[in-house]
Amino acid sequence: GAGVSQSPSNKVTEKGKDVELRCDPISGHTALYWYRQSLGQGLEFLIYFQGNSAPDKSGLPSDRFSAERTGGSVSTLTIQRTQQEDSAVYLCASSPPGQGAWETQYFGPGTRLLVL
Amino acid sequence: AQSVAQPEDQVNVAEGNPLTVKCTYSVSGNPYLFWYVQYPNRGLQFLLKYITGDNLVKGSYGFKAEFNKSQTSFHLKKPSALVSDSALYFCAVRVPYSGNTPLVFGKGTRLSVIA
Repeated sequence: GAGVSQSPSNKVTEKGKDVELRCDPISGHTALYWYRQSLGQGLEFLIYFQGNSAPDKSGLPSDRFSAERTGGSVSTLTIQRTQQEDSAVYLCASSPPGQGAWETQYFGPGTRLLVL
Repeated sequence: AQSVAQPEDQVNVAEGNPLTVKCTYSVSGNPYLFWYVQYPNRGLQFLLKYITGDNLVKGSYGFKAEFNKSQTSFHLKKPSALVSDSALYFCAVRVPYSGNTPLVFGKGTRLSVIA
């Protein structure tokens, strides 16, 4: 079946511009996660959506970052007034409807963002 | 707070030799542990996980990992490395009863298998 998809695959923008990154989770998956992968830094959690509950935004690095999830499916991560330190690969993952900590997360291919 | 350490940034191994990618964790209570692999220009792929039961977990592509509670480790192993195993490997942890919350990842280990 179809996996998690993300678009665009690559994005180059100028400092100060806003960008939107899109994630389509696996159909039927209720949990959706955004992570950021910076060189040498591993994966950093950004934000987490679980069903209709309020999202966990505890990982967002600043108020320039926001995300929404429409209809419990597609999610958009928005970065306003981009900075060079925002350059990274942004990974989206989704997880099946179970609530257990044993659930596996399935990742998309990522969006590589470069801020000039 | 839970954390994961991957003490080696880079591991080099000759093709056909056994490989080990190390992971240690720090959590309160028993952990759920995961390994993911990232091939160049691709997202993370799930390899295997330890939830409970047998300490030796078998996963995709011939990989296995051994949970060692006394050493708080979950090293990834494969008896005979292939050049195609060259990739970035991530260990991750989650605490039971925390729900399907975000995983806590290590910084990754780059495996290079040399022909």
